[in-house]
Amino acid sequence: AQSVTQLGSHVSVSEGALVLLRCNYSSSVPPYLFWYVQYPNQGLQLLLKYTTGATLVKGINGFEAEFKKSETSFHLTKPSAHMSDAAEYFCAVSEGTGGFKTIFGAGTRLFVKA
Amino acid sequence: GAGVSQSPSNKVTEKGKDVELRCDPISGHTALYWYRQSLGQGLEFLIYFQGNSAPDKSGLPSDRFSAERTGGSVSTLTIQRTQQEDSAVYLCASSPWQNTEAFFGQGTRLTVV
Repeated sequence: AQSVTQLGSHVSVSEGALVLLRCNYSSSVPPYLFWYVQYPNQGLQLLLKYTTGATLVKGINGFEAEFKKSETSFHLTKPSAHMSDAAEYFCAVSEGTGGFKTIFGAGTRLFVKA
Repeated sequence: GAGVSQSPSNKVTEKGKDVELRCDPISGHTALYWYRQSLGQGLEFLIYFQGNSAPDKSGLPSDRFSAERTGGSVSTLTIQRTQQEDSAVYLCASSPWQNTEAFFGQGTRLTVV
């Protein structure tokens, strides 16, 4: 069965600094991997996803993530944080062949300091 | 109205009462999920429906929780004899096929007093 671990329930960065949110997964088959974002008082929306092909995937708002099979990781990065990036970020895994449910991590709340 | 719709948006109920939460998925989406988000917690998987297959109920926390999906569309999550620990935001999501993007509703905030 698949599982997801997000390292750090809270991350604080200064505006303009690098954003790095860590996600490790386990899956018995090739996974599909996702990052979702939840802005304050809003629903969850997809930020980016990896299914097959290129391991570096780009999403909305300048975010990107790299699938590293050897490290079972799918860390989310953004070169320069903006105040509007303050939100909660969820990593998720879904087994890519025959598996059904999508499992989410506990979430990481990103704070951006002026 | 192309998004996932959940009702009610807020529900306050007395301990011991039953509640029903409704989810209208995006038309044509075959997969439907229920998750629970408690304060300070991640998204807890509850149940998954995919087409006409038997649902995956492995995330339901107790036998007080049940869900059904009628006609492959609307779903209802029922919580019987509610407890204070059931207080949370219940999120519904639908997907056009398994392993692709899940589209979330705005959730139902349940408060058990």
